[in-house]
Order: sequence, then C-alpha cells, then structure tokens
Amino acid sequence: EAGVTQSPTHLIKTRGQQATLRCSPISGHTSVYWYQQALGLGLQFLLWYDEGEERNRGNFPPRFSGRQFPNYSSELNVNALELEDSALYLCASSSWAWADTQYFGPGTRLTVL
Amino acid sequence: QKEVEQDPGPLSVPEGAIVSLNCTYSNSAFQYFMWYRQYSRKGPELLMYTYSSGNKEDGRFTAQVDKSSKYISLFIRDSQPSDSATYLCAMSGGNQGGKLIFGQGTELSVKP
Repeated sequence: EAGVTQSPTHLIKTRGQQATLRCSPISGHTSVYWYQQALGLGLQFLLWYDEGEERNRGNFPPRFSGRQFPNYSSELNVNALELEDSALYLCASSSWAWADTQYFGPGTRLTVL
Repeated sequence: QKEVEQDPGPLSVPEGAIVSLNCTYSNSAFQYFMWYRQYSRKGPELLMYTYSSGNKEDGRFTAQVDKSSKYISLFIRDSQPSDSATYLCAMSGGNQGGKLIFGQGTELSVKP
C-alpha cells in the first residue's frame, strides 16, 4: 500500500514569491493535515482538511492557505514568501474513523532566499 | 510553558542498551498518545499509538502512559544502530480539532 506522497521534494524560491506544495493521502484516507517543521521550532500544525473543507487552522497568517480536491489530495499555498518560511513542510493523512492516527509523508523542503 | 515538554538530548548509548525516552504534558484533556521516529531529512514514522493510560508493547518497543502524572515514556530494548534517529512524542484530545501537539524531539544515537 502506497504511503503519503508529496511533491516537489525540494523547492527554492525568493522572498515575495508564491510556493505551491502538493500532497496525496493514503488510499481510503479522507483527512489531510499540513505541518511546518522549522529548525529549532518542532512540528507546528498548519491546516486540516476533510471532505474538501478546511476544518481547523493553526496559528499562521492568512498567506498560508490550501485546499483539498475531490480525490482527497491537497495543495498548500504560501504567498508573499518570507525568509522564515524556510522549513520542511509535512503532509499527513488519516481516515476519519481514526482521526488521531496520522501518517506522514516525506515532506517538501522549502528554501526561501 | 509548552504544552508538551521533551528533553532534546542528544542521547548517546551503546548498542544493546535499553533506551528510555520521556515526555511530560500539561493539558489533562489529552487522551491519545503517539511516538514517531524521524530519520534525518525524512518524514516522521508512526511507531506507537496509545489511548488513555497503560502500557503497549510492539517488539522491542514499549510505550507507557501515566495520565495521573501527565507523563509518557518509550522504551527501546536491545537498541540497534538503526534506531539512531529523532524520536517525537505527540498527543491530542477530543477537542484539538485534528491537531497533534508534538514535543521537540529527542535525538538518539546508538553506537556499535
């Protein structure tokens, strides 16, 4: 069974640009979560999508946004990139029945220059 | 004060040693407790999942939850060099809205 996949693996952008990160959940999972793992800050919750709707949002500015598609894949958009947005962005998925068992993908490393 | 505290280490042990990793937390609403293993530049891998208090064993790994003390532990028996990684505790309660709260992670090195 394929795990959570993310693309791209690495992304390099300059300040002020926009970044788009993609995630495909485990087959049968309907919930997708996004986390940011910045150096020294640990994993911070960004967003939770389920059945195409945003269900919860972490303490991040509105320039972090996303969506979930009908096939349950998801996209994270970061607008007006800042240097401190450089981090590993992790996507996780779960089935709604086991909402707290989250399985993570390999992450997208975003570097903002 | 952080909701979840975890000693960042680093922790270095010889091969074959018993490793004890711990987290404390402050939110009494937490009911679900997880341990993840993260190798360098990879995504976290779910190791153990425990609901409420008690022990759970899976091979060389044992997870313990003591809700009265707000303290969770992960024990690794017969540690191997392949266990060298960062170990993250995570937890949530029914009112966290899908959010897992993570500890900072403990970096473990098992020396051959």
